[in-house]
Amino acid sequence: SQQGEEDPQALSIQEGENATMNCSYKTSINNLQWYRQNSGRGLVHLILIRSNEREKHSGRLRVTLDTSKKSSSLLITASRAADTASYFCATVLNTGGFKTIFGAGTRLFVKA
Amino acid sequence: DTEVTQTPKHLVMGMTNKKSLKCEQHMGHRAMYWYKQKAKKPPELMFVYSYEKLSINESVPSRFSPECPNSSLLNLHLHALQPEDSALYLCASSHPGLAGGPDKNIQYFGAGTRLSVL
Repeated sequence: SQQGEEDPQALSIQEGENATMNCSYKTSINNLQWYRQNSGRGLVHLILIRSNEREKHSGRLRVTLDTSKKSSSLLITASRAADTASYFCATVLNTGGFKTIFGAGTRLFVKA
Repeated sequence: DTEVTQTPKHLVMGMTNKKSLKCEQHMGHRAMYWYKQKAKKPPELMFVYSYEKLSINESVPSRFSPECPNSSLLNLHLHALQPEDSALYLCASSHPGLAGGPDKNIQYFGAGTRLSVL
């Protein structure tokens, strides 16, 4: 499997519920980011967590990073129908450059 | 202005055609990226330019030819494409960031060009 695998592949929840997505990676990273993509459009950066950080918050988003397990999770609290989108983790290799590898993504559907 | 503009939005071309995709940003970013994304798949990195120099080429076939004429503009020239090259092509840019800082990795994406090769 490739760098940045995610699960679940798809998630369907009711508005108001929390959504949790997980990402695993294989190599040493500089940082890990989460992006959102609405259907057929460009990606929007949500949050970046550095390799020396364990948890980060931004509004209704909470990201954790466990470098010993090479995994990260994204929690969206109190979800809204507008959160319906695909969510990708992205890892930047610890080589000081720009090589970014996106995970397979989780398709989130929030029912109103 | 935090916009990356890609043109055209849609492109249909035959396998013998030559066409170009264009990407423009005026945020002062000095790294620009091309990605290819197939339906229900993640974006796959194709090329990265850093300070107008090709920094990464992910073994992309030569029928794709990138060009960075200046710090605001990135082109992708297409020639003799195959039907399997049909995809959404995304451009992104990132700020150089502070020395050693990770912010240079935060990418701003355009809306993409939907390419169909017949």
